[in-house]
Amino acid sequence: DTAVSQTPKYLVTQMGNDKSIKCEQNLGHDTMYWYKQDSKKFLKIMFSYNNKELIINETVPNRFSPKSPDKAHLNLHINSLELGDSAVYFCASSQGPSGRENTQYFGPGTRLTVL
Amino acid sequence: AQKVTQAQTEISVVEKEDVTLDCVYETRDTTYYLFWYKQPPSGELVFLIRRNSFDEQNEISGRYSWNFQKSTSSFNFTITASQVVDSAVYFCALSYNQGGKLIFGQGTELSVKP
Repeated sequence: DTAVSQTPKYLVTQMGNDKSIKCEQNLGHDTMYWYKQDSKKFLKIMFSYNNKELIINETVPNRFSPKSPDKAHLNLHINSLELGDSAVYFCASSQGPSGRENTQYFGPGTRLTVL
Repeated sequence: AQKVTQAQTEISVVEKEDVTLDCVYETRDTTYYLFWYKQPPSGELVFLIRRNSFDEQNEISGRYSWNFQKSTSSFNFTITASQVVDSAVYFCALSYNQGGKLIFGQGTELSVKP
């Protein structure tokens, strides 16, 4: 019954590889997000989708491409991984994209290590 | 510009002490939302509270209480009679009515020693 789940929990890979992280929510929410937490624990938004449409795209390299096949899923694909991509990636969801509906519930995080 | 500052990087207390975590925010919007999240050593982010900018009433939930003061742009979090299980990194965050994204502070790492 996990509300927001992510797979995998840990991902270790070599520089230059391509990898994906999957996120699913069973809360019936319309809006999903990807955040990145760096080694100093600073959290920053990357993307947000509302009803499968991209609504927030922060200054993230083109190597990162989110995909939302339906409202309950938001995946993150990363091409040509670099050392600096090592971080914890959190998925989150909320009822709606703004205002009172914007309380965000987070998944457990995916720790990505690029060697 | 929207910004959240948590000036206390680390706090260490002994069990049963009260502790206050400070949060100061900047925004030009008149409608905005403030949040606190807890990140225990296991790593997940746990939602604690949301406050709307038009509701300055303080809130208490068990040993947790929150003091929202628009005059000083602060949203401080107090844990009464702290316990070892309160040890975590606590994040204050801001979102605005049209935005959606959470703008996080740097986090305060709280260590409660037995």
